[in-house]
Amino acid sequence: QSALTQPASVSGSPGQSITISCTGTSSDVGGYNYVSWYQQHPGKAPKLMIYEVSNRPSGVSNRFSGSKSGNTASLTISGLQAEDEADYYCSSYTSSSTIFGGGTKLTVL
Amino acid sequence: QVQLVESGGGVVQPGRSLRLSCAASGFTFSRYGMHWVRQAPGKGLEWVAVISYDGGNKYYADSVRGRFTISRDNSKSTLYLQMNSLRAEDTAVYYCAKVSTLTIWDGMDVWGQGTTVTVSS
Repeated sequence: QSALTQPASVSGSPGQSITISCTGTSSDVGGYNYVSWYQQHPGKAPKLMIYEVSNRPSGVSNRFSGSKSGNTASLTISGLQAEDEADYYCSSYTSSSTIFGGGTKLTVL
Repeated sequence: QVQLVESGGGVVQPGRSLRLSCAASGFTFSRYGMHWVRQAPGKGLEWVAVISYDGGNKYYADSVRGRFTISRDNSKSTLYLQMNSLRAEDTAVYYCAKVSTLTIWDGMDVWGQGTTVTVSS
């Protein structure tokens, strides 16, 4: 099973909005609503930011939002802050397994 | 507070075995599915395995199926990963993670700090 496709890097200035895409197929992202997004700072464990495409866990800032269209899911971060600089991974259910994206490094300029 | 603590990592020779443990606290362990996820040095996240709340259902990544076994002891609130026939490509930080809802394929909302497994001769 190939990894979901994410851009290797994105960047933005403080206060701006950025969007990270996550492209799969009808067998994963497009076929199920079990799409999640994780934030990982260097040397730290991942943190769940979005689950079931667009749901935010308790305690996650409402600056983070998720959506899906067809086989592509997206994570949008509005009002970019310095602490948002991290790696971001999407994941999806597929055929009795979970698949992750390759990860996107977000740089806050 | 809600916490997962992994242990059991180390340096092991190719072909040998290792068992990882993940001790849970601060939540009703027996209600939730649990995953193992790994991350090779400098690489992205790779899903390894998942087990249902009662241990009745287990699923594995193709890369570990037949070599790794996930299990749990709800009386001890502990998750395990038995790793046999280890290969160099199994070298990674291994995380255990709790499913956020009662559906095992949903997002993982609690993660351990990770335990490092190095397979080398």
